[in-house]
Amino acid sequence: QKEVEQDPGPLSVPEGAIVSLNCTYSNSAFQYFMWYRQYSRKGPELLMYTYSSGNKEDGRFTAQVDKSSKYISLFIRDSQPSDSATYLCAMSLQGAQKLVFGQGTRLTINP
Amino acid sequence: NAGVTQTPKFQVLKTGQSMTLQCAQDMNHNSMYWYRQDPGMGLRLIYYSASEGTTDKGEVPNGYNVSRLNKREFSLRLESAAPSQTSVYFCASRPSQAGNYEQYFGPGTRLTVT
Repeated sequence: QKEVEQDPGPLSVPEGAIVSLNCTYSNSAFQYFMWYRQYSRKGPELLMYTYSSGNKEDGRFTAQVDKSSKYISLFIRDSQPSDSATYLCAMSLQGAQKLVFGQGTRLTINP
Repeated sequence: NAGVTQTPKFQVLKTGQSMTLQCAQDMNHNSMYWYRQDPGMGLRLIYYSASEGTTDKGEVPNGYNVSRLNKREFSLRLESAAPSQTSVYFCASRPSQAGNYEQYFGPGTRLTVT
């Protein structure tokens, strides 16, 4: 079993829909949680960064961490075609040098 | 501020050839990383360097070597390329501040081994 599981999709939704992307993980010691966005033929870029449990909102994006369920989510409101990309979750232990990544979910927003 | 730069952008090699992928960052970061990305496999860590002068193996180090030339530069060498090394390679760097685990990625090198 992988340490971090993420459904690779692909996921295709109409413009304006609310999108929910999720990851589950097995190591309860993870403390730092990230979502990266990767456009086609580009490098990943950080979208959201959360420490421990709770919610974080940035514009149309909300990141949620539920440590009791070992489950993290990224919500995109009022989705736009420009949100079409692969979204990767990543997490880290306190003091660790390495990130553990999910497989990535490929998302397409249809106009 | 260029961030993380990688050269070359594209490369085609024949089996058995060698090459070095170059990576440089201008953000004064201590840690640097090499990943490969394959369809359905996500990002897999090849090697990383926590600071100048140190390197450590990641998840998939076989067939690769690295050099941390100085604080700015971290290179990845394929001594004898194999078709299984066909992939997209990303370099990343990370600041040294406590509690900051964000990694900054370069644009990638697309490598094909025939």
